[in-house]
Amino acid sequence: KNQVEQSPQSLIILEGKNCTLQCNYTVSPFSNLRWYKQDTGRGPVSLTIMTFSENTKSNGRYTATLDADTKQSSLHITASQLSDSASYICVVRPLSNDYKLSFGAGTTVTVRA
Amino acid sequence: ETGVTQTPRHLVMGMTNKKSLKCEQHLGHNAMYWYKQSAKKPLELMFVYSLEERVENNSVPSRFSPECPNSSHLFLHLHTLQPEDSALYLCASSQDPTGRWQPQHFGDGTRLSIL
Repeated sequence: KNQVEQSPQSLIILEGKNCTLQCNYTVSPFSNLRWYKQDTGRGPVSLTIMTFSENTKSNGRYTATLDADTKQSSLHITASQLSDSASYICVVRPLSNDYKLSFGAGTTVTVRA
Repeated sequence: ETGVTQTPRHLVMGMTNKKSLKCEQHLGHNAMYWYKQSAKKPLELMFVYSLEERVENNSVPSRFSPECPNSSHLFLHLHTLQPEDSALYLCASSQDPTGRWQPQHFGDGTRLSIL
């Protein structure tokens, strides 16, 4: 079983609306949790990074939250734009192994005009 | 421009062919990675190189053979692949594989299709 589970698998939203993506993980202990954005036909690009002691981190219209007690993270997209259409991947770096990151399968977001 | 360039972007090959994927990073990083990305599945780490030395081989079949001639270049040599090997192959680099706060910078991948 994958140690990082993301939901929903996909979602469609109207331009200008908000949405929230979920990430549940079992990796413990962990060093940090990062959200990546992967546009169609492109490689993933880092959006935010949080340590276990951080609760929230923003990058423009993207806000990530982390609850280390419940092992949950979320990525909130505010006032969505067409360019937000992409896959969003949650990645957890274990404390014990520097090479093996734990990846979620991603949530595909489609923003429609 | 991500700083990590992969070629070719698309590759179609038969199961008996031999081909190579190329990755070049222009970021001055010391670590390079190969990942496999299949539809609706998490990225799978295949190989890690640190300062041109392979430090991780994640139980990858021998039909995949990596090569890292220097810290800027990484190859993945392919031979006698199977249909289930069809996927997006991503190369990434980072300053230091042990640097916990450094992101991995990804190329745009090679879309591989096995006939």
